[in-house]
Amino acid sequence: AQKITQTQPGMFVQEKEAVTLDCTYDTSDPSYGLFWYKQPSSGEMIFLIYQGSYDQQNATEGRYSLNFQKARKSANLVISASQLGDSAMYFCAMGLLNGNQFYFGTGTSLTVIP
Amino acid sequence: GAVVSQHPSRVICKSGTSVKIECRSLDFQATTMFWYRQFPKQSLMLMATSNEGSKATYEQGVEKDKFLINHASLTLSTLTVTSAHPEDSSFYICSARGSGVFSGNTIYFGEGSWLTVV
Repeated sequence: AQKITQTQPGMFVQEKEAVTLDCTYDTSDPSYGLFWYKQPSSGEMIFLIYQGSYDQQNATEGRYSLNFQKARKSANLVISASQLGDSAMYFCAMGLLNGNQFYFGTGTSLTVIP
Repeated sequence: GAVVSQHPSRVICKSGTSVKIECRSLDFQATTMFWYRQFPKQSLMLMATSNEGSKATYEQGVEKDKFLINHASLTLSTLTVTSAHPEDSSFYICSARGSGVFSGNTIYFGEGSWLTVV
């Protein structure tokens, strides 16, 4: 079974600083994708960044980057230059490329302090 | 970009009645749809995965007869909560997977549905 772990239930960061949100995963399948989503209080899921298991380089999307360490099975999200609007829940997720499974971690609540 | 529409966004129903939630992919064919349940400040728990034209695959612990999932076409999947009880009150959200290479651009989420059973 696949398992996604986010060990930080809550994080605080000063505005304009960088923050790292941790995510580890466990799967025996070699073909998978790792995702990060932002969920504001409205409930919508906002896609942030994706990393495929075969991708050689770490993914980057604007202020978001993914620190992918395959051997350690970690896929940490780095948010640079935090903004007040970044305050939300952040979820790490994993989907199997050859299957129909898509699971989420427990989430991290990020609060950006002015 | 691709859009997944979920309806209704909020519903209140009486205990013992059934309620149906629709998930539609508006501009792409969704070969697979996922249904999740989320309690406040908790994670999205996968309830079931549905493929068009076949029976849904339910996660362990999810009652198939209570949460009926139908994926009759490549653009529509429905979740029916039967004989709803107050403990079924939750946020339900669907996602749809398009065809093609699996990537961040091939999983799309609906807006979610807040169900309150009174």
